[in-house]
Amino acid sequence: QKEVEQNSGPLSVPEGAIASLNCTYSDRGSQSFFWYRQYSGKSPELIMFIYSNGDKEDGRFTAQLNKASQYVSLLIRDSQPSDSATYLCAVGALSNFGNEKLTFGTGTRLTIIP
Amino acid sequence: KAGVTQTPRYLIKTRGQQVTLSCSPISGHRSVSWYQQTPGQGLQFLFEYFSETQRNKGNFPGRFSGRQFSNSRSEMNVSTLELGDSALYLCASSLAEGQDVLAKNIQYFGAGTRLSVL
Repeated sequence: QKEVEQNSGPLSVPEGAIASLNCTYSDRGSQSFFWYRQYSGKSPELIMFIYSNGDKEDGRFTAQLNKASQYVSLLIRDSQPSDSATYLCAVGALSNFGNEKLTFGTGTRLTIIP
Repeated sequence: KAGVTQTPRYLIKTRGQQVTLSCSPISGHRSVSWYQQTPGQGLQFLFEYFSETQRNKGNFPGRFSGRQFSNSRSEMNVSTLELGDSALYLCASSLAEGQDVLAKNIQYFGAGTRLSVL
């Protein structure tokens, strides 16, 4: 079983609609959760992070965390063609050295259809 | 503030050769992590360095090694290259210390080095 699982997609969403990206993780000790966006041929860039159960909103993006269900999601409202990218979910857990080690999912490819 | 810098951006090598990749972290960041990204496997963790010491290591063979210098710059070396080593190699830096527990572990990625093994 993979430690961090994402639907690889592709996920196609009409422009202006809400895109919903999901991620599940296996380590119950995980403490931090990140969403990175990666355009084709580019490196990942951080768009959201969340540590507490519930929702966290930043502009058109909302991250949702449910630790009991080991589930984290990213909602993108008013989707734009520029949102077309691969979205990587990363989960952090404490290592033996006291720092966080991130484990990435394989990513969901999102396409916004004009 | 300059971002994470990786050099070179592209490399072409043949099987059996070795290669060294370089990563300069964001100024003030002391942790550098290395990842291998391939279409089939996604982003795989190689290792992490902090204060010139390897702290965490992924499940890669010993042909993959790294080091970190006193200025936090890091190098990754792959010896006896195999065709399967063709990938995008990414490094990411983080503060890794400080009072802000939330911010110190956020990783920022460089543009990557694309390695092709022929």
